[in-house]
Amino acid sequence: DAGVIQSPRHEVTEMGQEVTLRCKPISGHDYLFWYRQTMMRGLELLIYFNNNVPIDDSGMPEDRFSAKMPNASFSTLKIQPSEPRDSAVYFCASSSRGAGGNEQFFGPGTRLTVL
Amino acid sequence: TQLLEQSPQFLSIQEGENLTVYCNSSSVFSSLQWYRQEPGEGPVLLVTVVTGGEVKKLKRLTFQFGDARKDSSLHITAAQPGDTGLYLCAGFKNNNDMRFGAGTRLTVKP
Repeated sequence: DAGVIQSPRHEVTEMGQEVTLRCKPISGHDYLFWYRQTMMRGLELLIYFNNNVPIDDSGMPEDRFSAKMPNASFSTLKIQPSEPRDSAVYFCASSSRGAGGNEQFFGPGTRLTVL
Repeated sequence: TQLLEQSPQFLSIQEGENLTVYCNSSSVFSSLQWYRQEPGEGPVLLVTVVTGGEVKKLKRLTFQFGDARKDSSLHITAAQPGDTGLYLCAGFKNNNDMRFGAGTRLTVKP
């Protein structure tokens, strides 16, 4: 298996632009998680899906952030409009049985820089 | 304020030395995980502990879950340059209520 795939690996954009990050989970995994990692705040859970349905989006920082999972093999995280404080590494992870005590498999991340 | 406090934040040691890093909280967790993250990559799971007082060994790494399930430690014996990375702990309060610590960044010099 190729593991969790994320694209792009790096994104540089200007403030106010729309940014879309993409994730392909491991086949057969029913849970998908989006995280954001910064030096200041560490690794933060933004949202997670179970069977393509958003279960908990309480970590989404504000309305500028949205996430979708149209099918079991694809998810997007969109920021519109982007701001410099959104600069971070965004990770997607998938799991077969939820997060509690079960292994999450992380993708390589997307490094986002908003100028 | 982090729900999970990891210490030290940074640690730089020579190859062959032993070290211990800590993950502490005032909350009780149903389980706790340790991950290692290398530059440019996502975190990779090392171990999951679920029982208070549990000790797990993974080659030169020893993980312990506190009796009260509020804290954990990771001990590395005879550290090697390949152990270099960011060590993250993650605590779970119910099935998907989880928090990550800020991590300990370990550098092992040859």
